[in-house]
Amino acid sequence: DIQMTQSPSSLSASVGDRVTITCQASQDITKFLNWYQQKPGKAPKLLIYDTSNLETGVPSRFSGSGSGTDFTFTISSLQPEDIATYYCQQYDKLPVTFGPGTTVDIK
Amino acid sequence: DVQLLESGGALVLPGGSLRLSCGVSGFSFSSYAMSWVRQAPGKGLVWVSGVTSGGDTTYYADSVKGRFTISRDNSKNTLYLQMNGLRAEDTAVYYCAKDKDKSYSLDFIRLDSWGQGTLVIVSS
Repeated sequence: DIQMTQSPSSLSASVGDRVTITCQASQDITKFLNWYQQKPGKAPKLLIYDTSNLETGVPSRFSGSGSGTDFTFTISSLQPEDIATYYCQQYDKLPVTFGPGTTVDIK
Repeated sequence: DVQLLESGGALVLPGGSLRLSCGVSGFSFSSYAMSWVRQAPGKGLVWVSGVTSGGDTTYYADSVKGRFTISRDNSKNTLYLQMNGLRAEDTAVYYCAKDKDKSYSLDFIRLDSWGQGTLVIVSS
């Protein structure tokens, strides 16, 4: 199985800060990488698919980049409603695997 | 609106069985691959199983292979997960989720709609 790692595991930032999360795959997954947001007690929500494509309705402050094994997820200006856990997910090979998550909160 | 509603979660004894259902509406169910994803309390997301739009191809995580069976009834717009031989480590919220695009395969698992989840507790 392809292993996904994320860093940091958690972070605390101020409103308006730029936040960056990295995701690394154990092997080349080209661009088959998605990002999800999960708020406490809620189901995950797809934010970005295929590394850099913003899902419909998702604010443009969210973005993604990368290829191969190294990927980045960015919130350009952190908002209070962005408090959540963020997961990367690869679908290059089955089984689909998720990263362990990065919890973002407000400083 | 796309809606997915899981049901069937319960407290079950180790070794027991349970069948989860996921009723959907708001999209052409028979055109989309579907997945089950679980989340143990306080833990991350784990993809459990997927099934193609026609139900002819399935895939399972190693942790559930041979114990769980995914299936679908496209005439009833319902996805199922039959869980046998349940273990304590199967305790989790189970989500059903829909692929983003119409497909006949499990090649593009981008989960754009999720249910609210159903809780399975395996304990004596």
